[in-house]
Amino acid sequence: AQSVTQLGSHVSVSEGALVLLRCNYSSSVPPYLFWYVQYPNQGLQLLLKYTSAATLVKGINGFEAEFKKSETSFHLTKPSAHMSDAAEYFCAVSKSGGSNYKLTFGKGTLLTVNP
Amino acid sequence: DAGVTQSPTHLIKTRGQQVTLRCSPKSGHDTVSWYQQALGQGPQFIFQYYEEEERQRGNFPDRFSGHQFPNYSSELNVNALLLGDSALYLCASSLAPTGSSYEQYFGPGTRLTVT
Repeated sequence: AQSVTQLGSHVSVSEGALVLLRCNYSSSVPPYLFWYVQYPNQGLQLLLKYTSAATLVKGINGFEAEFKKSETSFHLTKPSAHMSDAAEYFCAVSKSGGSNYKLTFGKGTLLTVNP
Repeated sequence: DAGVTQSPTHLIKTRGQQVTLRCSPKSGHDTVSWYQQALGQGPQFIFQYYEEEERQRGNFPDRFSGHQFPNYSSELNVNALLLGDSALYLCASSLAPTGSSYEQYFGPGTRLTVT
């Protein structure tokens, strides 16, 4: 079985500050890991994905995440927050091997960016 | 290139009724997955369709059923609606296991309210 734990249901940062959203996973097989963003009243948009290549993954909008097997973590970071980053962020895990495997999501972290 | 589309956008039903939600996958995709996102929660996997068959199923009762058509579009049916079925229902499309893209593309969702 696979699971995801997102530490902190709500993170608040100032514009221009570092964004750090935490994700820890549990998986009995090598995982694929994903970060999705959800803006109000919209579906999910993929930010980045880890699929067993480079452990440091760069995504859209300046976000990146590092896969740390020893820590079973896949934290999302952005050096400088922008007002437009305010949204809900979801970490997800699937079995490796293809896009046909179901995604298991965390409960999400709401990011607030203060001016 | 049209992305994943879902209809209707919003729906209000009464307890005990039945509902059908529709999804058209992204062009070129042949696999459709359905997720339920309750308020304040991460999406939960309901089931996945490929080649017009249910390939995987999450922990949802038989009241939840689906169908995939030859053009890869899909329907989600829920019978005997309960208040707890109120949620955002998300459709995601992807390529079959032989595809090289390890991504599921999400639609905007259908907001179902059961009164």
